[in-house]
Amino acid sequence: LAKTTQPISMDSYEGQEVNITCSHNNIATNDYITWYQQFPSQGPRFIIQGYKTKVTNEVASLFIPADRKSSTLSLPRVSLSDTAVYYCLVPEGYSTLTFGKGTMLLVSP
Amino acid sequence: DVKVTQSSRYLVKRTGEKVFLECVQDMDHENMFWYRQDPGLGLRLIYFSYDVKMKEKGDIPEGYSVSREKKERFSLILESASTNQTSMYLCASSLRTDNYGYTFGSGTRLTVV
Repeated sequence: LAKTTQPISMDSYEGQEVNITCSHNNIATNDYITWYQQFPSQGPRFIIQGYKTKVTNEVASLFIPADRKSSTLSLPRVSLSDTAVYYCLVPEGYSTLTFGKGTMLLVSP
Repeated sequence: DVKVTQSSRYLVKRTGEKVFLECVQDMDHENMFWYRQDPGLGLRLIYFSYDVKMKEKGDIPEGYSVSREKKERFSLILESASTNQTSMYLCASSLRTDNYGYTFGSGTRLTVV
């Protein structure tokens, strides 16, 4: 079973780029890596997913090295509203996602 | 805009009561899930369902049951509520073929007194 490890918390300031790295040493060949964002008192929200190299959308970029044992979520020029918990996930079994404790990102003025 | 709607935002129930948490999705998704979220423990999967009248146990099914009589509705049932079931409950849905794109509801914060 693929298990993910990510920092418990990170601090940043407005306007900075934030990189959150996640390790998934036992990722299976066919597994994608998915990141979710959760604001207080809301359900998690899908941000981005990728399989290898680099994926970019309007919210974030996802960098995955060739061995796929880790991935880095990059948030460009964060604002206060990016303060949230960020989850890195790799599916375990058919159609189930296991959410760990995530990374609490605090953005300060 | 696609939605997962949970019937109650806040709920207070007494110990021993039977509690129903309702979840409805309008995206024609086959898969539906119930998680609970507690401080320091992250989200934990209680039950999930691949199709109508089908259900599978997640990581922490004890004390819970579910019902899926219609594709769009997935109910979580606390047979006899206890104080350790005080938690935030989150419902999610996804397409059968999509292991990654979960849509979550806003959650129900249940307090058992």
